[in-house]
Amino acid sequence: DAKTTQPPSMDCAEGRAANLPCNHSTISGNEYVYWYRQIHSQGPQYIIHGLKNNETNEMASLIITEDRKSSTLILPHATLRDTAVYYCIVRVPIQGAQKLVFGQGTRLTINP
Amino acid sequence: GAVVSQHPSRVICKSGTSVKIECRSLDFQATTMFWYRQFPKQSLMLMATSNEGSKATYEQGVEKDKFLINHASLTLSTLTVTSAHPEDSSFYICSATQPIGDGYTFGSGTRLTVV
Repeated sequence: DAKTTQPPSMDCAEGRAANLPCNHSTISGNEYVYWYRQIHSQGPQYIIHGLKNNETNEMASLIITEDRKSSTLILPHATLRDTAVYYCIVRVPIQGAQKLVFGQGTRLTINP
Repeated sequence: GAVVSQHPSRVICKSGTSVKIECRSLDFQATTMFWYRQFPKQSLMLMATSNEGSKATYEQGVEKDKFLINHASLTLSTLTVTSAHPEDSSFYICSATQPIGDGYTFGSGTRLTVV
């Protein structure tokens, strides 16, 4: 089972920052948090990942709370092309492999 | 960056036939590949993990005799849906881990329709 909880949907105005929350209260100390997004009928696209420090790349920023029980993905200047389902995933070791088990995700709609 | 190619992108087959889906890592060697399926308006469900040269590990509830996975080389894994039925119609997606770093690259998916 997925170890994350996300709001099912969110809206954001074009040009504004989109802040997507994720709860992962049962995360273990060595488990990473990954964010992917999926545009309709395509494979998931990697956004960012982190362990405990905040991370930033050309796409987004990832803010992880000090207790690591939640995180926020920030898209600094949302565009219409950012409309997608965003998945927050805790990578878990299962049967010797590090696996990404997807939860339900947040459907983000960017409005003009 | 790392690229995973998946073929075919769409396939329609008759009930009772088998369909093979290929997943290739184009510019890196993938020791581990994952297969997911996704029904409409639902999230991705992990089906199995395949490691090069060994048998795949299936998630609970996934029939290994129906979904045959072969990972014969470091760049190719195949998923064969045997004796397909309409309820197997779904979006199948593969993913591969990169040898350096913590990246997981996904293919573009295969939409299977069984008629």
